[in-house]
Order: sequence, then structure tokens, then C-alpha cells
Amino acid sequence: DQQVKQNSPSLSVQEGRISILNCDYTNSMFDYFLWYKKYPAEGPTFLISISSIKDKNEDGRFTVFLNKSAKHLSLHIVPSQPGDSAVYFCAASENSGYALNFGKGTSLLVTP
Amino acid sequence: GAVVSQHPSRVICKSGTSVKIECRSLDFQATTMFWYRQFPKQSLMLMATSNEGSKATYEQGVEKDKFLINHASLTLSTLTVTSAHPEDSSFYICSARDPLLETQYFGPGTRLLVL
Repeated sequence: DQQVKQNSPSLSVQEGRISILNCDYTNSMFDYFLWYKKYPAEGPTFLISISSIKDKNEDGRFTVFLNKSAKHLSLHIVPSQPGDSAVYFCAASENSGYALNFGKGTSLLVTP
Repeated sequence: GAVVSQHPSRVICKSGTSVKIECRSLDFQATTMFWYRQFPKQSLMLMATSNEGSKATYEQGVEKDKFLINHASLTLSTLTVTSAHPEDSSFYICSARDPLLETQYFGPGTRLLVL
């Protein structure tokens, strides 16, 4: 059973605008959440993470928001750039970055 | 970010042969490494957790005798697909956990095609 869900398989955003990628989870024991970016035939690249003790973490153009009560997190990319076009995976862990449970990914396309 | 290498990047083999994939963490010591598999248009699925100096922990449904994992040092884990069959064709990705940053860094992946 999928414990991490990314319900939007794809998203298209215009360059310069905000991209919002969403992720929902079902396991209340998850305490660490990560976002990865992935190109075809390559391994995922770590983008940003957040611990369950926080509700926001920011790193440059990337911000992750965590709503524990709703079991929901989102990744905001602003401003979006064409180079951001990739598949974004949300992942969650019960014990601080050990075995990760991945969502199915959202394919982001940023158009010029 | 941290660098994790994986070798080979691509391998084609005949059915019944064994294939070894290496995963190395290049700039930190990883007591724990992980092996994932990704089928086309699917999510990454954890196959096993590799602990340095001890036996790997396999996820449900993953045959430990088919997917042999060895984690002999703090920077190297190997996955051997034994007696490979066409259904084993997939994209295999390893990751290494940086204990200081509590983050997993992934290798570039290995594309396995079994004919």
C-alpha cells in the first residue's frame, strides 16, 4: 500500500512563476521528509528536507512546507526555471532518513 | 552535495548469468546503504538495507538468495543479481546515508537488461 502519494503525475508552469508540488502521506510515524529531483536514467538528486518538528524549511528558490495535521507537504519553487523540468519525488522516513518511502513522482515542465 | 558512485552504469547480460553492481560513497563513511529498484513510470521501491559488517535487511517480497548484498566497508556496498532473468531487467539505484546530515544521497543508477 502506497504510504506516500503524489496525486499529480504532471505539472506545467511558465518560467518565472511558482511551481507547487504536493505530497500526502498516511503513516503518522513518519518524522522526516525529503524531496528529490530526478532526470531519466539518473539517480535522484537531493533537494531539500524537513523534520517533523518544523513546518517550513527554505533553501534558495526551494521551500518545503509541512502540515502534520493534514499529513501533507508541498515543495514550492520560485521563480521556476526551465532547468527545473524533471520528475520530483517526495519521500518520507520513520527514523530520520533511514528506509525511505517514495511517492510516484510528479513530472514538472517549466516552459519559457 | 555528497557523491555516491555506482558501477556499471549499464549492463546487458544473458539469462542465467550473475551481475554485480557496486555502490561507493566517495566523501563520507556510510554505515548504512540502501538498494532500490525502479520500473518504468513507477516509484523507487526499496529492496534492502545494507549495514556495514552485518547482514542486509530485505523488504518483503525481495528474495535474499537472488539479490545478494555485501557491505564490506564503510564506503562500499555490492548487489549481486544471481541467475538473472528477463523480469529482473530494471533500473537499480543505491543510496548511502550520511549519518551527520541524516540524508540519503543516491548513486546514478544501473540499467540492467537481461536477454
